Parts: sequence; structure tokens; C-alpha cells
Amino acid sequence: AQSVSQHNHHVILSEAASLELGCNYSYGGTVNLFWYVQYPGQHLQLLLKYFSGDPLVKGIKGFEAEFIKSKFSFNLRKPSVQWSDTAEYFCAVNPNNAGNMLTFGGGTRLMVKP
Amino acid sequence: DGGITQSPKYLFRKEGQNVTLSCEQNLNHDAMYWYRQDPGQGLRLIYYSQIVNDFQKGDIAEGYSVSREKKESFPLTVTSAQKNPTAFYLCASSGTVNQPQHFGDGTRLSIL
Repeated sequence: AQSVSQHNHHVILSEAASLELGCNYSYGGTVNLFWYVQYPGQHLQLLLKYFSGDPLVKGIKGFEAEFIKSKFSFNLRKPSVQWSDTAEYFCAVNPNNAGNMLTFGGGTRLMVKP
Repeated sequence: DGGITQSPKYLFRKEGQNVTLSCEQNLNHDAMYWYRQDPGQGLRLIYYSQIVNDFQKGDIAEGYSVSREKKESFPLTVTSAQKNPTAFYLCASSGTVNQPQHFGDGTRLSIL
């Protein structure tokens, strides 16, 4: 069965630090890739998505992610985090032959210290 | 505003009791999903429905049941057979293929 791994369960950063959250998946075929964010007390929101084309995808709030097919990875990055980025981040994978079905990673809790 | 409404926000279940979580969407989406969120485990798929009057089991369907009588509604029943029901339950919907899922605010279920 396919799986999605997020290596860091908890990350603590100071404001202005750079962020990189890892995401690896185990599906060998063509995939769509997503990062969702869950701010405290709010619902999951789409941060960015990759379907095809440029493997470097830019999302909302200054986030970006790079799809590296050879490494089965879709790491999330932000050059300079803010206190308001404190949230839980989820990577999700949708195989192209599975409708809109998503398999989620375990999530990474990010705390940004002011 | 278009969106997904889950109710109630908090729900308490007694031992041996069935409870039903509501999920309504006005996004005109064909597909709807139920996930369970536990700390450190991300979201796990319970059931999904790609069209009215049809639904499929997800990865952890045991102890749960659903119905999809209307496009807008996809209620989830947590039955007494579910031995560890305490969790945060999220409902989602999506349009055609290659569209992202949209999520509701969730229902937190606890056992009395």
C-alpha cells in the first residue's frame, strides 16, 4: 500500500528562520501532490498543489514546494517564517488513477517563536 | 458563502450508543469523504462517496457507517462496534478529478 512520510513531527523555529518540511511517498506511478495547513482552531486549508509542469510550485503566504520525482519527495519550504505560520502541516498524495483520493502524511506541528 | 458545514462541533457518546455526525456541502461537489484525525497519525480515510447513492469503504471503515441519499449530505454514524471512537472527525468534498479536497471545521467526539 502506498504511504506518505513526514519526517519531522514537531519543529520549533524562531521568526525569520528558514523552513523546510520533508515529505516522501511510496507510490511509483504518476501522482498529484498537496500540502495542507491547519491553523489552531481552523479547518484544513490548501497551501499548494502540484499536478504537472514546473516541479517548483508556489503557494499562498510565501510557501513553495519542490517535486523531485527521483526522490519521491515534495518538500515544503519558506525562506522566512512568521509567528502566524504556527500550525500543523500535512502532505498528501493522490495517485492519478485513484480519482481524488488522498493519502495523508502524519503531519508536522510547527511552532514559531516570536 | 459556499463551504462545508459539520455539526455538532463537539459530541459526547455513551458506551454502547450510536451517534451520527452531520456533513453538508453547498459546493455542488460530487465526491465527499470522511476522515479521522488522531495525533501523530495524520488523516485516515473512513468512507468516501463519489456520487449520490454510492459509497466505498476507506482504510478504517470498521465500526462506522454512512449514507449518501442527497448530493449535499454525507452523514457518518459511529456505531457501538467502534471501540476507540475518541477522535477528531473531518468531512471533505471535491469536484471533478484533479480538484483539491475542501474540508469542514470538524467534529470532536469524546466518550463519556
